[in-house]
Amino acid sequence: ETGVTQSPTHLIKTRGQQVTLRCSSQSGHNTVSWYQQALGQGPQFIFQYYREEENGRGNFPPRFSGLQFPNYSSELNVNALELDDSALYLCASSPTSVNADTQYFGPGTRLTVL
Amino acid sequence: AQSVTQPDIHITVSEGASLELRCNYSYGATPYLFWYVQSPGQGLQLLLKYFSGDTLVQGIKGFEAEFKRSQSSFNLRKPSVHWSDAAEYFCAVGPMNTGFQKLVFGTGTRLLVSP
Repeated sequence: ETGVTQSPTHLIKTRGQQVTLRCSSQSGHNTVSWYQQALGQGPQFIFQYYREEENGRGNFPPRFSGLQFPNYSSELNVNALELDDSALYLCASSPTSVNADTQYFGPGTRLTVL
Repeated sequence: AQSVTQPDIHITVSEGASLELRCNYSYGATPYLFWYVQSPGQGLQLLLKYFSGDTLVQGIKGFEAEFKRSQSSFNLRKPSVHWSDAAEYFCAVGPMNTGFQKLVFGTGTRLLVSP
């Protein structure tokens, strides 16, 4: 069983640009969640996708959007990047969408916005 | 709203000594409770979780945690720390019955292990 993978590992963008981060979930996991982890903070929930539909969202603006594909891959898109978007972005996959189920985290993508 | 407090930002423990990391949560009912560990360059790894039943939960790598409802706490313990345990530890809560998964994390405790 392969783990959760994310690409790229690191990324540098400038303010105002757009970025796409990618995640490959474990096979059979139909739920993926994205978290933002600022330096020195715990991860914050951005949103969750279940069977290719967004089914839960945290306190993040609409310029944060996502996609989930049938092949267990997913994307996080951020438009109009701001300096405060600099963070580690984590994706987590799970076999189900219920909170009782374990989420398996990837290693993250470190985004730096200059 | 749910919140998690980890009052210790850093903790230094000698190798072989016991460890206790504190976690307090705020939630209207008993949530699901988790402890994760994050090593540099690694994702979060689940150590243990509590949903219901026995309030003492056993996890991986020799860790355990005890849920105390009266104190709204879920402290993580290990009887003998190894140098490889040096990492960042996060306590998290997950509300029940929302129809989707959402973990609320504390700010973490960085564990340093001295020889």
